Amino acid sequence: GENVEQHPSTLSVQEGDSAVIKCTYSDSASNYFPWYKQELGKRPQLIIDIRSNVGEKKDQRIAVTLNKTAKHFSLHITETQPEDSAVYFCAASKAGGTSYGKLTFGQGTILTVHP
Amino acid sequence: EAGVAQSPRYKIIEKRQSVAFWCNPISGHATLYWYQQILGQGPKLLIQFQNNGVVDDSQLPKDRFSAERLKGVDSTLKIQPAKLEDSAVYLCASSLYYHYEQYFGPGTRLTVT
Repeated sequence: GENVEQHPSTLSVQEGDSAVIKCTYSDSASNYFPWYKQELGKRPQLIIDIRSNVGEKKDQRIAVTLNKTAKHFSLHITETQPEDSAVYFCAASKAGGTSYGKLTFGQGTILTVHP
Repeated sequence: EAGVAQSPRYKIIEKRQSVAFWCNPISGHATLYWYQQILGQGPKLLIQFQNNGVVDDSQLPKDRFSAERLKGVDSTLKIQPAKLEDSAVYLCASSLYYHYEQYFGPGTRLTVT
């Protein structure tokens, strides 16, 4: 089955700096890659996603890049703010044949933004 | 629109007892998922329903876990008997269809003593 590796496990930055979190996946057939933000004691919330037919997607201060050849994708947060502090999870899935879009999550990155 | 609802929010039981969790997905969502999230880890899919049929239960410990989705709407997840290692947050999620954005509920925090 699919395996998703996420790095780093913890990331500490100063307010205003950029943060980058990287994930690699094992199944070359995976074609959907969402990123979730989970604040302490709360539900995961989708912040951005990308499908395999595009290489990059942006939404204000957040961007995701995908390299299908290398089987890795990254989350980029610019101009970080203290409210960006949370755990971030990447995930991968595929659909088609006997696959129904099961999400496999990475281990998570604890992002701390210091004021 | 109303989000995914789950109950109870917290549950403490002793090992070998049974427990059930309930989920009400977003109206109109055909796909429903149950995840187990152990502290410090990412969510792990236990079972996925498409309408009221199971499409993936490959990671569900079927000797103790069971789930159903009646009439393709609400769902219940049951553990019987519970083990210490079942202590986790159980998240329910739904999506319009499979491979679409998944919306998560608030989760049920289970502690098995």
